[in-house]
Amino acid sequence: AQSVTQLDSQVPVFEEAPVELRCNYSSSVSVYLFWYVQYPNQGLQLLLKYLSGSTLVKGINGFEAEFNKSQTSFHLRKPSVHISDTAEYFCAVSDRGTGNQFYFGTGTSLTVIP
Amino acid sequence: DGGITQSPKYLFRKEGQNVTLSCEQNLNHDAMYWYRQDPGQGLRLIYYSQIVNDFQKGDIAEGYSVSREKKESFPLTVTSAQKNPTAFYLCASSVLANTGELFFGEGSRLTVL
Repeated sequence: AQSVTQLDSQVPVFEEAPVELRCNYSSSVSVYLFWYVQYPNQGLQLLLKYLSGSTLVKGINGFEAEFNKSQTSFHLRKPSVHISDTAEYFCAVSDRGTGNQFYFGTGTSLTVIP
Repeated sequence: DGGITQSPKYLFRKEGQNVTLSCEQNLNHDAMYWYRQDPGQGLRLIYYSQIVNDFQKGDIAEGYSVSREKKESFPLTVTSAQKNPTAFYLCASSVLANTGELFFGEGSRLTVL
């Protein structure tokens, strides 16, 4: 089974500054990779996903992520954050061989400081 | 609009009572899932179902039960055997193809008094 590690549980950042949220996964087998965002007392919303092709993936709200197979990482980035980006962010992995098994990280709480 | 509807949004129950959380989807997805979310622990899989009348235990199935009598519906019952039921519960669905991401409902917050 996969394990997903989100290295930072909390990330404070000033408004309009860049941010990177880190995600590493355990297995080197072929995977699908996802980032989700969760606002308080709501469900998870898909930010972006990597299935194949270009390793740089662009998502909603100006976020992007880069798949690095050799480092088994899928870090999320945004060049300039807004107050509205304050939320919990989850990295998730799905093995291609068992496409319906999803493994989630423990989440990173992003707080944007005015 | 297509989506996943969970109800109720908030639920309070006394210790020892069974409670059932509803999850309905109109996305025509084959697979449905129940996750439990606790602060600092991410999402943990309770049960999942890939087809009607079939479901599998996830990582923390003890104290929970599910049914899948219709493709659209996947209710979760939190039984009195669940030792710490207070949590945020999320229902999700996906297509069975290997490129399918999870689509989530808005969640149900259960508080046991």
